[in-house]
Amino acid sequence: ETGVTQSPTHLIKTRGQQVTLRCSSQSGHNTVSWYQQALGQGPQFIFQYYREEENGRGNFPPRFSGLQFPNYSSELNVNALELDDSALYLCASSSGQGVNGYTFGSGTRLTVV
Amino acid sequence: AQSVTQLGSHVSVSEGALVLLRCNYSSSVPPYLFWYVQYPNQGLQLLLKYTSAATLVKGINGFEAEFKKSETSFHLTKPSAHMSDAAEYFCAVSDGRYGQNFVFGPGTRLSVLP
Repeated sequence: ETGVTQSPTHLIKTRGQQVTLRCSSQSGHNTVSWYQQALGQGPQFIFQYYREEENGRGNFPPRFSGLQFPNYSSELNVNALELDDSALYLCASSSGQGVNGYTFGSGTRLTVV
Repeated sequence: AQSVTQLGSHVSVSEGALVLLRCNYSSSVPPYLFWYVQYPNQGLQLLLKYTSAATLVKGINGFEAEFKKSETSFHLTKPSAHMSDAAEYFCAVSDGRYGQNFVFGPGTRLSVLP
């Protein structure tokens, strides 16, 4: 079975720009979550999608938005980038409730300058 | 709401020594508990999980963890550290639902000295 794949692996953006990060879920997983991991910290929950609907959101502003597609792949969009948005963005998928844990991708390292 | 504390942001052990990484949780319902490992510039890999079966859970790479309800703890151990164990370790708690109810601790960086 394939794991969770994310693209791109690294990118650099300028403050005020917009960015789209992409994620392909593990085969058979219908739930995808996105996390932001700042340097030296644990992952912080951004939001989650289940069957193309957002069904949970963490403490992030509306300029963080997402999509889930019928094939369960997903996008994270961030508008009006700020310097503090520089972080590793992790996508994770799951096939069941939180009992199963998540399978994580390797992440996208975003640097905002 | 769930929360996780990990005592010690950085732990150093000698190769061959016991590894003990501490995790304490707070949960209003019976928790599901997880340990993840993160190697430099990589995502998180699941080491082991507790989902209300046996309290002693064995994971990959020789790691194990014991769920102690009375102490609200889920400490991670390995009898003999290997150089390849050097990484960041995260404890996480879930109430069995998705998303914001799956919470990570701040992490413990493990260094293994030769």
